[in-house]
Amino acid sequence: GDSVTQMEGPVTLSEEAFLTINCTYTATGYPSLFWYVQYPGEGLQLLLKATKADDKGSNKGFEATYRKETTSFHLEKGSVQVSDSAVYFCASRGGSYIPTFGRGTSLIVHP
Amino acid sequence: DADVTQTPRNRITKTGKRIMLECSQTKGHDRMYWYRQDPGLGLRLIYYSFDVKDINKGEISDGYSVSRQAQAKFSLSLESAIPNQTALYFCATGGSGRSSYNEQFFGPGTRLTVL
Repeated sequence: GDSVTQMEGPVTLSEEAFLTINCTYTATGYPSLFWYVQYPGEGLQLLLKATKADDKGSNKGFEATYRKETTSFHLEKGSVQVSDSAVYFCASRGGSYIPTFGRGTSLIVHP
Repeated sequence: DADVTQTPRNRITKTGKRIMLECSQTKGHDRMYWYRQDPGLGLRLIYYSFDVKDINKGEISDGYSVSRQAQAKFSLSLESAIPNQTALYFCATGGSGRSSYNEQFFGPGTRLTVL
């Protein structure tokens, strides 16, 4: 079946550091790929998405590129802020309309 | 107003009690989902519904049941709650029709504690 693997956390960074959270997927066909963010005490919300190979999703300074050849969708941000502290989920979704989520990666940013 | 609402937001109950968690959405989406979140385990799918007459079990449906009362409403019930059902529960919508591009929209969650 489909699966999504993302790096375990927590990831701890200082403010203005560069962020990478790795995500790889296995799926039949060509799924859409998503990154969701969950701030403390809240539900998940979409951060960015990409629907086909080589697409780059971007939002709030975060970026991720759909790499079919490496089945990856790594999340990056050039300069993190304390307010970026949250849990980040990578997800894939194909034609079954049942998304597959990774286990989440907690990001902690210190001032 | 929030697109996906859940009630209650917090609930403490005792083993053996029946509990209902409610979800309403104003997105107009046909597809709705119930998940539970446990630390280190991510999100696990309990049930999903693609329209009012289409309800399906997810990976962890044992001990749970659902009701899709209308397009906008999807309730999750624990018939006889047990302590290992203590978790954070999320309702989500996921679009309509054939497009697989739609992201999901999540409610704020219900924190359930079973003593």
